Amino acid sequence: NAGVTQTPKFRVLKTGQSMTLLCAQDMNHEYMYWYRQDPGMGLRLIHYSVGEGTTAKGEVPDGYNVSRLKKQNFLLGLESAAPSQTSVYFCASSFSLNTEAFFGQGTRLTVV
Amino acid sequence: AQKITQTQPGMFVQEKEAVTLDCTYDTSDPSYGLFWYKQPSSGEMIFLIYQGSYDQQNATEGRYSLNFQKARKSANLVISASQLGDSAMYFCAMREGDDYKLSFGAGTTVTVRA
Repeated sequence: NAGVTQTPKFRVLKTGQSMTLLCAQDMNHEYMYWYRQDPGMGLRLIHYSVGEGTTAKGEVPDGYNVSRLKKQNFLLGLESAAPSQTSVYFCASSFSLNTEAFFGQGTRLTVV
Repeated sequence: AQKITQTQPGMFVQEKEAVTLDCTYDTSDPSYGLFWYKQPSSGEMIFLIYQGSYDQQNATEGRYSLNFQKARKSANLVISASQLGDSAMYFCAMREGDDYKLSFGAGTTVTVRA
């Protein structure tokens, strides 16, 4: 079972470059999330989606955009990368309020 | 305001002993769910245990149990009979009401000593 798959797993960007992180889930979950993890700060929610075609801002949305054109995919875009966006990014999906979120393996992004 | 507070940045525990990881939460919604995740050094997030606010009994999953004290707004994770493979970062998280967002604490690093 693939579960939640993130691509790429590692990336180095130069300041000002753009990129898209792809998240795919094969569990038919309605709800998908993008988090960033920084040392000492736990995971912070960037954006989330409660269904195909819907997106919403989380705790730290600035500098990021998302799209959910297909139910199984949730894309995170950085239009103009900044060093402050150096982080580990996690995608997750869940079936309902009372069930756990399943996480991808993470993307380590470095912006130089 | 911080919704989830984990006050122990790091802990050491002897193999085969039990360890308790603290988690306090802040919500005014009577309906909420509490989750614990494990993150080993390899980086993946592994779900451990769930407790709903209306659950009558404390949740248990194998060697993991949740000490849920609703009045104190605490949901401490107890790991019994620690193993070397339990060395990891542990996160407490909460979902409130009908909001699908999951809020995380800063995490606690556990190191199990042989």
